[in-house]
Amino acid sequence: QVTLRESGPTLVKPTQTLTLTCTFSGFSLTTSGMTVNWIRQSPGKALEWLGLIDWDGDKKYTTSMKTRLTISRDTSKNQVVLTLTNMDPVDTGTYYCARIRPYDSSNAFDFWGLGTMVTVSS
Amino acid sequence: QSVLTQPPSASGTPGQRVTISCSGSSSNIGSNTVNWYQQFPGTAPKLLIYSSNQRPSGVPDRFSGSRSGTSASLALSGLRSEDEADYYCGAWDDNLNGVIFGGGTKLTVL
Repeated sequence: QVTLRESGPTLVKPTQTLTLTCTFSGFSLTTSGMTVNWIRQSPGKALEWLGLIDWDGDKKYTTSMKTRLTISRDTSKNQVVLTLTNMDPVDTGTYYCARIRPYDSSNAFDFWGLGTMVTVSS
Repeated sequence: QSVLTQPPSASGTPGQRVTISCSGSSSNIGSNTVNWYQQFPGTAPKLLIYSSNQRPSGVPDRFSGSRSGTSASLALSGLRSEDEADYYCGAWDDNLNGVIFGGGTKLTVL
């Protein structure tokens, strides 16, 4: 069964770098068609897609964060890592990792982690 | 500001049929399928509809989706109190080369 779980700090200071890890099971990120995404939700706000990494190691990022965001993977550990530099209070929110439904072109997120709340404050 | 436009709120009484709209453009809904998510407070979103009108296993057939041109809609029939949640549409955008979401619709069951 597919599961994803986010882990990382709950509090970071402005200008610091955030590193979150998504540990998943039930699928392999080296299997063709698999992708893991990061999605953020600020308190009381809508979902915001941040970026993805796919089975081939290719990455895509939302335009507004391209200079600050890096997504990487460790296939041996079944982990995907989000690194976001120069954190600001507006980056406060719940960060989710999610898998895109494979083998069709829906780009639908079929499995989600529980999310991890990150607060940016001095 | 969300690229996909949803009404911020919708409401209905138990048993009614409610629809939630999602408006986009040629680079997203006009050329790619739409997905819908249900989110309860404090929990992760759940996939409700994929490929515009397909239900994942376990989603009741009270939920249905459609897409026409650059718009899509989610319909809930036989409304129940447990349907009270936030609903988001999402789609791939070819110009942005990424996934975009609507601003979300809060559904209230009166």
